[in-house]
Amino acid sequence: IAGITQAPTSQILAAGRRMTLRCTQDMRHNAMYWYRQDLGLGLRLIHYSNTAGTTGKGEVPDGYSVSRANTDDFPLTLASAVPSQTSVYFCASSPGTENTGELFFGEGSRLTVL
Amino acid sequence: GQNIDQPTEMTATEGAIVQINCTYQTSGFNGLFWYQQHAGEAPTFLSYNVLDGLEEKGRFSSFLSRSKGYSYLLLKELQMKDSASYLCAGMDSNYQLIWGAGTKLIIKP
Repeated sequence: IAGITQAPTSQILAAGRRMTLRCTQDMRHNAMYWYRQDLGLGLRLIHYSNTAGTTGKGEVPDGYSVSRANTDDFPLTLASAVPSQTSVYFCASSPGTENTGELFFGEGSRLTVL
Repeated sequence: GQNIDQPTEMTATEGAIVQINCTYQTSGFNGLFWYQQHAGEAPTFLSYNVLDGLEEKGRFSSFLSRSKGYSYLLLKELQMKDSASYLCAGMDSNYQLIWGAGTKLIIKP
């Protein structure tokens, strides 16, 4: 089934550890996004990539990094996790190089930092 | 600043109609979007409006008034499966989505 795959689905992590959340899409979409979703808040954009080889900072980029070596993969790395990074992380994609607003989301990665 | 406001929670009865309101303030405007998110699942796209007026898609309709910074999502003939959170998002001049916190819709039999 075509779509976006995120891994892991859920993870408990000790503070200070490094963690990479994986995101792979097979729809050949140009743009990809990482959001975090916290209770009582709207989705907040962490980083985005309009096309392979380019990335940009979103609303809450601090403590996170991304890379976009190819069209399909867009991993999100937490260099040194802190408890405030406990959240549900969603990867999303859209077909164009500009955001059309119609995003396709992965199933999410629930991360708990202790 | 940029802001999206929508009610936190609403309750409606199966078979009825419910209107979920959203007000927005964005830096520039490139459209208003609605997504559905069932508990523990990913958001899925429902509709968008870029011009004033009503867009209808089956049991769901979305309305936009740009002069008032206002949109609503109308759900007709409510079914139990419509129990979900409904997310309103405005697109700003940089083509980035600004998201509301979502409205949790509870459907009662």
